[in-house]
Amino acid sequence: DGGITQSPKYLFRKEGQNVTLSCEQNLNHDAMYWYRQDPGQGLRLIYYSQIVNDFQKGDIAEGYSVSREKKESFPLTVTSAQKNPTAFYLCASSPGVAGGPIAKNIQYFGAGTRLSVL
Amino acid sequence: AQSVTQLDSHVSVSEGTPVLLRCNYSSSYSPSLFWYVQHPNKGLQLLLKYTSAATLVKGINGFEAEFKKSETSFHLTKPSAHMSDAAEYFCVVSDHQEAAGNKLTFGGGTRVLVKP
Repeated sequence: DGGITQSPKYLFRKEGQNVTLSCEQNLNHDAMYWYRQDPGQGLRLIYYSQIVNDFQKGDIAEGYSVSREKKESFPLTVTSAQKNPTAFYLCASSPGVAGGPIAKNIQYFGAGTRLSVL
Repeated sequence: AQSVTQLDSHVSVSEGTPVLLRCNYSSSYSPSLFWYVQHPNKGLQLLLKYTSAATLVKGINGFEAEFKKSETSFHLTKPSAHMSDAAEYFCVVSDHQEAAGNKLTFGGGTRVLVKP
């Protein structure tokens, strides 16, 4: 079954704690993305990676960190510096440039992780 | 820079009646446009995409959208709503700049309520 797997589905963070959200894809996609979704605000881009061992900040990167050591994995760490982490986090992937001019822009999403603060 | 405005935050329709979700965009380049649907506590599913071929785009589940460059619009329609269409819908734009890293810009979403 090809797709994007996010875990856990629900996560709770204590004050001052770092937590890591997992995102794995078996679609052989080059590009991966992390979004944050708050009610009524659509999705905002946190970080993205177009290739292994490389990633760029999105629009709201402060308080977050990522790594891309393997093509299929793009974990997101929510650090203690993120003062308002409660949100729904979505991971996505796309073929990237290798997918051609049309397919490269299509992003496929995981089912999300809901993060709350204790 | 690119942006997307979904003109209605909520739309309520009766089952069997047409659905219209309005979207206007701005983009400095020839854009790709998408509609995604999100059911509660789920990820986003692609409904349809426009990529400069036909201006009328047909998607899954009976949805279609028309690209109108002169109006910078990409409205989503369905002739007859089903109860299963109750969800949140996002209009999305992507330009073709390589440096943008295939970044998508999302509208704020339109929540659709279907009444029996």
